Amino acid sequence: AQSVTQLDSQVPVFEEAPVELRCNYSSSVSVYLFWYVQYPNQGLQLLLKYLSGSTLVKGINGFEAEFNKSQTSFHLRKPSVHISDTAEYFCAVTLYGGSQGNLIFGKGTKLSVKP
Amino acid sequence: GAGVSQTPSNKVTEKGKYVELRCDPISGHTALYWYRQSLGQGPEFLIYFQGTGAADDSGLPNDRFFAVRPEGSVSTLKIQRTERGDSAVYLCASSSLAGGRTGELFFGEGSRLTVL
Repeated sequence: AQSVTQLDSQVPVFEEAPVELRCNYSSSVSVYLFWYVQYPNQGLQLLLKYLSGSTLVKGINGFEAEFNKSQTSFHLRKPSVHISDTAEYFCAVTLYGGSQGNLIFGKGTKLSVKP
Repeated sequence: GAGVSQTPSNKVTEKGKYVELRCDPISGHTALYWYRQSLGQGPEFLIYFQGTGAADDSGLPNDRFFAVRPEGSVSTLKIQRTERGDSAVYLCASSSLAGGRTGELFFGEGSRLTVL
């Protein structure tokens, strides 16, 4: 079975500082990897995804993530955060060739950006 | 509307009652999904519809839970004999066929169910 671990439940950071949100996954087969973001009072939206190819993927709002197969990680990074990045971030996986839309999510990391 | 719409946004009910939650997907999206998010947890997959049929209902926790999509658009999640453990935010998402294959789901804001 697949699982996703987000190592930090909360990450406080000052505005314009860099941030890394950590995600590790467990799977015996190939997976697709995702980061979703949930802004206050909004639905989840896709931030970025890794399907194949380059291990460094770029998403919306200046975020990027790097797939590391040997470490089974998919950490999310941003070099300089804004107040507006305050949100909850969810890492997710789905099996390559598996049931459509059956995403396995981590528990989420709440990013709080302070002025 | 432009996004996935879910009603009601909040529902409080008593243990043992029947509940219906409604989802109106993005126009043109053939795939629809239900997820459940309990407090402090990430969303958990419940069921996936392609058109009118349930293509994958492996996430439904037991036979008290049932979902329909009779005309291939709006879907209703039905919970019978509610229990306190059913309290959660129920999320609906939709996607195109291609988008669903690569995990690009569009989520609604959810329906918060509280069972007293």
